[in-house]
Amino acid sequence: GDSVTQTKGPVTLSEGTSLTVNCSYETKQYPTLFWYVQYPGEGPQLLFKVPKANEKGSNRGFEATYDKGTTSFHLQKASVQESDSAVYYCVLAPNNNAGAKLTFGGGTRLTVRP
Amino acid sequence: EAAVTQSPRNKVAVTGGKVTLSCNQTNNHNNMYWYRQDTGHGLRLIHYSYGAGSTEKGDIPDGYKASRPSQENFSLILELATPSQTSVYFCASGDPYAEQFFGPGTRLTVL
Repeated sequence: GDSVTQTKGPVTLSEGTSLTVNCSYETKQYPTLFWYVQYPGEGPQLLFKVPKANEKGSNRGFEATYDKGTTSFHLQKASVQESDSAVYYCVLAPNNNAGAKLTFGGGTRLTVRP
Repeated sequence: EAAVTQSPRNKVAVTGGKVTLSCNQTNNHNNMYWYRQDTGHGLRLIHYSYGAGSTEKGDIPDGYKASRPSQENFSLILELATPSQTSVYFCASGDPYAEQFFGPGTRLTVL
């Protein structure tokens, strides 16, 4: 079946430093890839998605490139802020007609210190 | 914007008891989902639905049933709750290839 593996965390950074959360995936289908973010006490929400290989997605200063060759989708941000403290999920949706299911990675908890 | 609500927000149940978690969405989405969230596992899919009257097994359906009586409502039922079902449960609706909208979660403790 499909699987997503990401940086286990927790990750603790100081404000203004750079972030990389590694994500790799396995699927026999041609997927759409997502990053979702979950703030304390809330459900996850979409950060951005990338439906096509070799394209980049971005939102709120975060970005990730869909690399089909290495089956990776690493999340990056050049300069984190305290408000970025949250749990980040790398997510896969296989593009088939067999079912409408997402596969989530284990999540990476980020804490940004002021 | 899509609105997904869940009730109750917190629930304490006894082992062997029946628990029903409810979810309501107001954006007319066909697809709805139930996940559980546990440390180290991320979100795992329990059941999902394509529309009223339909329920499908997700990746971890054992010990759970689901009911979709209408477009708006999707319930998760634990007929015989066990301590291993202690978790945070999230309902979601939406197109998986576009965006899923999640509710605020229900924290379930089974004693």
